[in-house]
Amino acid sequence: QQQVKQSPQSLIVQKGGISIINCAYENTAFDYFPWYQQFPGKGPALLIAIRPDVSEKKEGRFTISFNKSAKQFSLHIMDSQPGDSATYFCAAGPHSSGSARQLTFGSGTQLTVLP
Amino acid sequence: EAGVVQSPRYKIIEKKQPVAFWCNPISGHNTLYWYLQNLGQGPELLIRYENEEAVDDSQLPKDRFSAERLKGVDSTLKIQPAELGDSAVYLCASSATGTDTQYFGPGTRLTVL
Repeated sequence: QQQVKQSPQSLIVQKGGISIINCAYENTAFDYFPWYQQFPGKGPALLIAIRPDVSEKKEGRFTISFNKSAKQFSLHIMDSQPGDSATYFCAAGPHSSGSARQLTFGSGTQLTVLP
Repeated sequence: EAGVVQSPRYKIIEKKQPVAFWCNPISGHNTLYWYLQNLGQGPELLIRYENEEAVDDSQLPKDRFSAERLKGVDSTLKIQPAELGDSAVYLCASSATGTDTQYFGPGTRLTVL
């Protein structure tokens, strides 16, 4: 019930291409869906996040698409650049009144953008 | 603004030895998290503190792991005794009250021989 399934495990994209990473969840109590980016030797850093009251959120080249009925969400990276090469984690957290959310993370996607 | 600070960055120990990791969260962040990240996997929560109170430690293996957050600022995670399967990266994160964004430190990479 708590699991978040992420695919693909690895992704290779040419510079300028579109990178797409998908996640699916089961727990209907989840209402916060962030994506984190992690470079080697660094901790994860928040990239973009969405709540289920909208179906899409865009920040620069990064877009989250959210399908509440299918319980799926995806990250799209437009005009992918070599500097985007990193590991990306989706996560999900339940509604929380006042206290911090407990996030469940996907298993990660290692993105390589070829120059 | 300084980020989350963790030390040491790397630690190599023999099995059955004790080990401790230290975390200093972002100033003013009341919530502190310890995560375990195995190679090729996402972070898994071990324990969450609200100020000095551990409010979620259900995933912490209490037979060998312990944590403390004295005075609600710095935190220490301890393993005693360490086992081969404990080799992983231990991440600390913090967040401000009422916000969702968690800020992660660089982690401590533990190798148990």
